[in-house]
Amino acid sequence: GESVGLHLPTLSVQEGDNSIINCAYSNSASDYFIWYKQESGKGPQFIIDIRSNMDKRQGQRVTVLLNKTVKHLSLQIAATQPGDSAVYFCAESRNSGGSNYKLTFGKGTLLTVNP
Amino acid sequence: DSGVTQTPKHLITATGQRVTLRCSPRSGDLSVYWYQQSLDQGLQFLIQYYNGEERAKGNILERFSAQQFPDLHSELNLSSLELGDSALYFCASSVRQGAYEQYFGPGTRLTVT
Repeated sequence: GESVGLHLPTLSVQEGDNSIINCAYSNSASDYFIWYKQESGKGPQFIIDIRSNMDKRQGQRVTVLLNKTVKHLSLQIAATQPGDSAVYFCAESRNSGGSNYKLTFGKGTLLTVNP
Repeated sequence: DSGVTQTPKHLITATGQRVTLRCSPRSGDLSVYWYQQSLDQGLQFLIQYYNGEERAKGNILERFSAQQFPDLHSELNLSSLELGDSALYFCASSVRQGAYEQYFGPGTRLTVT
């Protein structure tokens, strides 16, 4: 079965607010956790990753938090903009041998930014 | 634009038929991955190739096959199509084999009638 899942299927925020997208995982053997963004009519786009031995990683306007105790991952988007409207997927990656990482995606959360 | 191209963009065919989806990776990328995206199953990994060789298999049906050619483009062959095969099929590529940072193409929407 799937090892990565999402708490909420949809999230609606006002432009300028901060967004928090949550994800639960069940596999403690994951090496990396990754967030992808998929805009309507496009393929998924890599946003940010976090190694399993880290708690926090920051990018441009995005922060990913990893809580291994409760197996929870979150993506925070600061000052959300209309262009952030998309489906966000969390994914986990495990080394399946020979530095070959296999991605397993969660179901996705639809983020809608209201102007 | 990710640099990954997929053709065709849309494909409509009948049950029992066979189709071929084509993918050209980003320039310099040696790994190609195929994914199926449907409403009920989400984004499912099918198969991965690296420099012409199969490297990993996911939830790929026996009716489906793929290959990567010497020029690094890849084709996904779907045969004996069923209604349930209707989905978006994405190709992704990366420089390294099995990288988790992958560049996705725009997808091919397959409709089986």
